[in-house]
Amino acid sequence: EVQLVESGGGLVKPGGSLRLSCAASGFTFSSYSMNWVRQAPGKGLEWVSSISRSGSYLYYADSVKGRFTIARDNAKNALYLQMNSLRAEDTAVYYCAKESDILTRPGGPFDYWGQGTLVTVSS
Amino acid sequence: QLVLTQSPSASASLGASVKLTCTLSSGHSNYAVAWHQQQPKKGPRYLMQLNSDGSHSKGDGIPDRFSGSSSGAERYLTISSLQSEDEADYYCHTWGTGFGVFGGGTKLTVL
Repeated sequence: EVQLVESGGGLVKPGGSLRLSCAASGFTFSSYSMNWVRQAPGKGLEWVSSISRSGSYLYYADSVKGRFTIARDNAKNALYLQMNSLRAEDTAVYYCAKESDILTRPGGPFDYWGQGTLVTVSS
Repeated sequence: QLVLTQSPSASASLGASVKLTCTLSSGHSNYAVAWHQQQPKKGPRYLMQLNSDGSHSKGDGIPDRFSGSSSGAERYLTISSLQSEDEADYYCHTWGTGFGVFGGGTKLTVL
């Protein structure tokens, strides 16, 4: 059974940093690109970032480019999102999502999602 | 710019059918989309991938009551024999190399 479990969320002040983790199990983690998607309170889904299966290709939404860094550790079956210079508008539940196709670069549908971790940016 | 447009809300009666629409922006009618369901207080759940020719592949354990179809730039999700647990937000999603785009979501109310 595929499982994605996010952790690391919490309350942080504007300008602060936070590192999210996603623990993956039930599939060959190193074969699939992975993504982070967020959802602000009462709002829709927003794609944030993606990483290729090897970690060589990294992509970001304009809203987080230069502030967030995606990474993965295939030996630990783990996905990460380092978030710096956090702003109030980054407040959201952050989900990790697995892509369904085995591709060299990210760019496919998501077939599994985690339950999310809440990040609140407030003074 | 690639944009997905969904109606904010829809409603239908228990046991009836409902058809949700996702519209691709001009010039992007050949894109596939995926449909995801988000029940209250839960993470999203993948329902299916829907291609421009109407072919679709469903996620694990998705009932036959969920089906998809396409026409031009429109991508449809049809839910038949509506059940109370189908009351949820439904999002369409498309993608390219290194980017993803979501529709604004449709909140489905089962009456």
